[in-house]
Amino acid sequence: DIQMTQSPSSLSASVGDRVTISCRASESITTSLNWYQHKPGFAPKLLIYTASTLRRGVPSRFSGSGSGTDFTLTISSLQPEDFATYYCQQSFSITWTFGQGTKVEMK
Amino acid sequence: EVQLEESGGGLIQPGGSLRLSCAVAGFTVNGNYMGWIRQAPGKGLEWVSYIYSGGSTYFADSVKGRFTLSRDNSKNTLYLQMNNLRGDDTALYYCATIVVQPPDAYFDHWGQGTQVTVSS
Repeated sequence: DIQMTQSPSSLSASVGDRVTISCRASESITTSLNWYQHKPGFAPKLLIYTASTLRRGVPSRFSGSGSGTDFTLTISSLQPEDFATYYCQQSFSITWTFGQGTKVEMK
Repeated sequence: EVQLEESGGGLIQPGGSLRLSCAVAGFTVNGNYMGWIRQAPGKGLEWVSYIYSGGSTYFADSVKGRFTLSRDNSKNTLYLQMNNLRGDDTALYYCATIVVQPPDAYFDHWGQGTQVTVSS
């Protein structure tokens, strides 16, 4: 199975900060990488698919980049509603896998 | 608007069986891709299974041989049959629609989840 490793596991940030989350695959997954936001008590929500395509309706402060094994989710200016856990997920192989998550907390 | 509603969770003893249901509105289960994802207490998301449009099914190694997927086209419902349940199957189980339009493949719409607790 393809392993997905996110870093950091958690981070503290303030409103207005630029936040960057990394995701590394154990082998090349081309651009088959998606990002989700998950808040307690709510269903996860797709933010970005195929590494860099912003889902319709998702604010433009979210962006994704990368290919092969290294990917990045960036929040250009953190907003109060962005405090959540973020997951990357690969859809390259037959069996899909998620990263372990990155919790974005308020500083 | 696509809506998914999971049901069928509960408290079950180790070794027991449960069938989870995912009733879908606004999206046709038959001929489309759908999947299940779970989140154990204090843990992250884990992909469990999905069904292809043609009916092929795939499972994570942790549940292979114990879980099966099926769908009832007349009820527009997806089912996850879980047998020989273990403590580490305790989790909130989500169903989700899947978009597959190469190179895009992702979980699109999600339900709110149903809790499964395996304990004696």
